[in-house]
Amino acid sequence: NAGVTQTPKFQVLKTGQSMTLQCAQDMNHEYMSWYRQDPGMGLRLIHYSVGAGITDQGEVPNGYNVSRSTTEDFPLRLLSAAPSQTSVYFCASSTDRNGNQPQHFGDGTRLSIL
Amino acid sequence: KQEVTQIPAALSVPEGENLVLNCSFTDSAIYNLQWFRQDPGKGLTSLLLIQSSQREQTSGRLNASLDKSSGRSTLYIAASQPGDSATYLCAVSLSGYSTLTFGKGTMLLVSP
Repeated sequence: NAGVTQTPKFQVLKTGQSMTLQCAQDMNHEYMSWYRQDPGMGLRLIHYSVGAGITDQGEVPNGYNVSRSTTEDFPLRLLSAAPSQTSVYFCASSTDRNGNQPQHFGDGTRLSIL
Repeated sequence: KQEVTQIPAALSVPEGENLVLNCSFTDSAIYNLQWFRQDPGKGLTSLLLIQSSQREQTSGRLNASLDKSSGRSTLYIAASQPGDSATYLCAVSLSGYSTLTFGKGTMLLVSP
């Protein structure tokens, strides 16, 4: 049982480049979300999805796009990377969209923008 | 806007001590509260989830309490061990949604 898998684990980009952070879960969870974790800021919600074809913005969505074409996958796209997007990105999933069940987190993607 | 505060930011204790981590939130209209553990370079592991209608949850040496009206939760760790060393995060969700608002965490070091 792999749980929540995030790839890549580390990435260095140049300002202006684009990339996609991958997130996949094998637990048939409806709810998936992306957070970024910055020193002194805690984790902040970027985007979330309550099921295939449904996404919504979180607290800090600017500069990021998401889509949910399948239950299993929830990729996060950086359109034009900026140094302010240097962070650790975590994907999470839960069987329950309504918050009644614990959330499962991946091990994160550590992203540096030069 | 919901704000979550965790005190202390860091805590160092000798092995065997009982300890309490504190979490406070500004909006009492929460749906549930979760405590997570994060090891260095790793993701978050859910420890305990307390629904708003509950007062506490227990798992092994961990006990979490919730006082929704005062906007407070505590995580009690009994007989601490070096393996408990990690950052502990508190997070709340608003009514009916799984989106979480996190505190900044308490970094715990348990020395042998």
